Amino acid sequence: ELKVEQNPLFLSMQEGKNYTIYCNYSTTSDRLYWYRQDPGKSLESLFVLLSNGAVKQEGRLMASLDTKARLSTLHITAAVHDLSATYFCAVDGSYSGAGSYQLTFGKGTKLSVIP
Amino acid sequence: GAVVSQHPSRVICKSGTSVKIECRSLDFQATTMFWYRQFPKQSLMLMATSNEGSKATYEQGVEKDKFLINHASLTLSTLTVTSAHPEDSSFYICSARVLAGVYNEQFFGPGTRLTVL
Repeated sequence: ELKVEQNPLFLSMQEGKNYTIYCNYSTTSDRLYWYRQDPGKSLESLFVLLSNGAVKQEGRLMASLDTKARLSTLHITAAVHDLSATYFCAVDGSYSGAGSYQLTFGKGTKLSVIP
Repeated sequence: GAVVSQHPSRVICKSGTSVKIECRSLDFQATTMFWYRQFPKQSLMLMATSNEGSKATYEQGVEKDKFLINHASLTLSTLTVTSAHPEDSSFYICSARVLAGVYNEQFFGPGTRLTVL
């Protein structure tokens, strides 16, 4: 059974600081996703990481994937209040009975950026 | 990215009634659709997976007679919560996947907030 662990689950940081969210997963997969969720809203896709060593950046967020270590990181640079949200990583690896790959989600990291 | 819509976005109903939620892929044909449920401050929990024209595959612990899923076409799936009770109150999110395509990505709908009184 594929397990996905995120840490930390809660993160309170000051504006301007840097921090990293970690996502570990238990079985082989070369496809990992990061999503953002604002309160009361659905998921917004941030990054799709498809191969070992993949690195993607968008604004103050940068995501990377190390498939050998089964680890992805989401790095936040010079945080601003607008980044406050819950961030989920999800791994593509379970093959469902319906004949399709399905995502397994981490528990999410609630990020609060304090002015 | 591709767009997935859900309707309604919010519904309040009395206990014992049935509620239908529609999920549509607007600009692509979804080979597979997924239904998730999310309780406050928790992650998404997969309820079921469905392919067009086939019966849905339900996750362990999800009552198939209570949560009826119909995937009538490559762009439409519906979830009907039958005889809803307060414990069914939750945020329901559908997702659609295209097997053909560069990223083979899942796209998420905006969610439906169900409140059962």
